Amino acid sequence: DAKTTQPPSMDCAEGRAANLPCNHSTISGNEYVYWYRQIHSQGPQYIIHGLKNNETNEMASLIITEDRKSSTLILPHATLRDTAVYYCIAPSYNQGGKLIFGQGTELSVKP
Amino acid sequence: KAGVTQTPRYLIKTRGQQVTLSCSPISGHRSVSWYQQTPGQGLQFLFEYFSETQRNKGNFPGRFSGRQFSNSRSEMNVSTLELGDSALYLCASSRDGNNEKLFFGSGTQLSVL
Repeated sequence: DAKTTQPPSMDCAEGRAANLPCNHSTISGNEYVYWYRQIHSQGPQYIIHGLKNNETNEMASLIITEDRKSSTLILPHATLRDTAVYYCIAPSYNQGGKLIFGQGTELSVKP
Repeated sequence: KAGVTQTPRYLIKTRGQQVTLSCSPISGHRSVSWYQQTPGQGLQFLFEYFSETQRNKGNFPGRFSGRQFSNSRSEMNVSTLELGDSALYLCASSRDGNNEKLFFGSGTQLSVL
């Protein structure tokens, strides 16, 4: 798995966009970038993933730099319910269900 | 469509005992992975089963074992429990586990006294 680096914590005002960065400078060509989040005492929840192109779904947008060494998860209008730990993961191909979770970013959305 | 179901939700055991945790994956999913989460070590991969065979294994002692049944349901067993085994044990499923999103259950909170 490519090593990922994330800031340990971030704050965001409710209703504003939350931009969560992730560095994955050692990522290889066939490794996707996945984002999960974990709300306290629950199992992690898949958010989004991408390879090269920017991706968007109903939960978030994922911006991957052209050199693929970093990415940003964007929650366009953060709510209090988005308070969680966000994990950026770049699993090696063919690792099956094995994901290496780092410490993630603890996002606090404040009113 | 029902999500990943883990039972029991909470469990209290004493040192030296053994415990079995159960996981029912989403219908149609053949890959089941197990994770341990503690405040100090975070989320750590235990093992993965696919079509009743262990496909990947993390760095845990042999006291931690698992199996998968023909209906894809999975169990994990911890023998000779230690205080340090107190953790949230999470199960995740996916269709075949390769570059796919994982769906996690709510976990089993195990306390070893």
